Amino acid sequence: TQLLEQSPQFLSIQEGENLTVYCNSSSVFSSLQWYRQEPGEGPVLLVTVVTGGEVKKLKRLTFQFGDARKDSSLHITAAQPGDTGLYLCAGAGTGNQFYFGTGTSLTVIP
Amino acid sequence: GEEVAQTPKHLVRGEGQKAKLYCAPIKGHSYVFWYQQVLKNEFKFLISFQNENVFDETGMPKERFSAKCLPNSPCSLEIQATKLEDSAVYFCASSQSGSGPGNNQPQHFGDGTRLSIL
Repeated sequence: TQLLEQSPQFLSIQEGENLTVYCNSSSVFSSLQWYRQEPGEGPVLLVTVVTGGEVKKLKRLTFQFGDARKDSSLHITAAQPGDTGLYLCAGAGTGNQFYFGTGTSLTVIP
Repeated sequence: GEEVAQTPKHLVRGEGQKAKLYCAPIKGHSYVFWYQQVLKNEFKFLISFQNENVFDETGMPKERFSAKCLPNSPCSLEIQATKLEDSAVYFCASSQSGSGPGNNQPQHFGDGTRLSIL
């Protein structure tokens, strides 16, 4: 059973467009992380959000943690080809396990 | 080292053979995690270690899969009697601490081992 559902699963957009990726769960997480994975490599951490309602910005990327700490979103402004990759959210449970989301594969067309 | 090192990069085995994958975590990191990625998207947790002790093995298949993290040796993931469905990229990650409340250390991933079962 997948605890974290991401949507959309696939996204193909033109350079310069904006997009939002969602990460939803019925479970509460103590923290949530977003990773980006490029082909042939392991995921790389983008951000960690801890507090319900928290908003963090990383250049053109804006991350939000839901008030109830069950969901999160990633918004990219003016997407660039370099943003292409697989975006994964990961929730930290009460143990030591990270639950990864189903992933969103983003392609930005020049 | 400064990076998680996984070997080999690609491993090809015939169905029924054994496969063994290795992971050297970042020096100083106490936790090691193994994940299986199938079809490029789905990331399945397999097992985690705190130093050489199994911390969480709830994701490990009951049969054929085993893992170890011994002192002064790379961690390993071994699959006995491989099946076609074991074909996947296996990622190892390490972190300084766990993921429980108050511990928000990132997981640092290796580049994975692509296991192909023919």
